[in-house]
Amino acid sequence: DILMTQSPSTLSASVGDRVTITCRASQGITDHVAWLQHKLGKAPTLLISRASNLESGVPSRFSGSGYGTEFTLTISSLQPDDFATYYCQQHNGYSRTFGHGTKLEIK
Amino acid sequence: QVQLVESGGGVVQPGRSLRLSCAASGFTFRNYGMHWVRQAPGKGLEWVAVISNDERLQYYPDSLKGRFTISRDNSKNTLFLQMNSLRTEDTAMYYCATSVDGACGSWGQGTLVTVSS
Repeated sequence: DILMTQSPSTLSASVGDRVTITCRASQGITDHVAWLQHKLGKAPTLLISRASNLESGVPSRFSGSGYGTEFTLTISSLQPDDFATYYCQQHNGYSRTFGHGTKLEIK
Repeated sequence: QVQLVESGGGVVQPGRSLRLSCAASGFTFRNYGMHWVRQAPGKGLEWVAVISNDERLQYYPDSLKGRFTISRDNSKNTLFLQMNSLRTEDTAMYYCATSVDGACGSWGQGTLVTVSS
């Protein structure tokens, strides 16, 4: 199975900050990466698929980039609603794996 | 509006079996692949299985092959997960999700499975 190494595991930031989360795949997966947001007690939400495609209804402050083995999720200006846990997911080939998650906390 | 409602969770003893269901509505179920994903207490998301829209293809992570089986009934808009030989480490919230270009798109609220003697 393809491994997804996500960093950092925890990120402390303030409202208005620009933040970046990174995922590295153990092998090349072209652009088959998704990013999800998960809040405690709620169902996860798909933010971005195919590395950079913003899902309908997701604010434009979220963006994704990358190809091959290195991928990033950027939030351009943090809003109070953005404090949550974020996961990358590879969706290449037969298997799917998640990164271990990044908990975004209020500084 | 996509709606996914999981059911079938509960407390079960180690070694026993459990079958989870996911009732789908608000979209054309037969056109979408579907996933199961779980989250153990205090842990991250773990992908469990995926099934193609026509049920012909099913895939699992190496760690779960042989114990878990994903299936679906397109006539009833329902997804299933049969879990056998359950272990304490299978304790988790289990979610079903639509497959959007292979990624997990819309999610249900989950059903809790507790494996304990």
